[in-house]
Amino acid sequence: DAGVTQSPTHLIKTRGQQVTLRCSPKSGHDTVSWYQQALGQGPQFIFQYYEEEERQRGNFPDRFSGHQFPNYSSELNVNALLLGDSALYLCASSPGQGRNSPLHFGNGTRLTVT
Amino acid sequence: GDSVTQMEGPVTLSEEAFLTINCTYTATGYPSLFWYVQYPGEGLQLLLKATKADDKGSNKGFEATYRKETTSFHLEKGSVQVSDSAVYFCALSVNAGNNRKLIWGLGTSLAVNP
Repeated sequence: DAGVTQSPTHLIKTRGQQVTLRCSPKSGHDTVSWYQQALGQGPQFIFQYYEEEERQRGNFPDRFSGHQFPNYSSELNVNALLLGDSALYLCASSPGQGRNSPLHFGNGTRLTVT
Repeated sequence: GDSVTQMEGPVTLSEEAFLTINCTYTATGYPSLFWYVQYPGEGLQLLLKATKADDKGSNKGFEATYRKETTSFHLEKGSVQVSDSAVYFCALSVNAGNNRKLIWGLGTSLAVNP
């Protein structure tokens, strides 16, 4: 049973460009959350998708947008990249949104903006 | 508001030493509590969880007890190994309307020397 898979694993972009990151949730999971983790920091919540809709959003600008597909996979899009967007982007899935449902994380996409 | 406070790292121990990483929380409602571990170059993995007061979560020799009276969820292991070197995150989860809100600690880095 595959866990959460993310692609690509590494990415280098130039300031001002746009990027799309992809995530396939663990089998049986219908809720996907995205996190940004700067080096040496904890994960910062970007947003969560359930039933193809954004259900919650953290304190991130509109340059960060997402999508969830009918098969529960998800994309994170970042426009007008800034140097400060360089980070590890983590996708996490869970079976529903209840407080007892632990998150299962992928290994992340390392984004470097130059 | 809801928050999680972890002891600051880095923590450096010798192999077979006793480990405690303190975690305290403030929350409205009835949170579930989690410990996640992040090994170098990887995403976060659920280590253990507890969903109600006095529950003890355990996994891989690690334990944590949900103490409502002291609002704590300290992580302990009786004898650490070099392979336990990682960053450990304490997190709480509460229901927020129809959604779940997950609050993270800043993480505690553990280095175990042979």
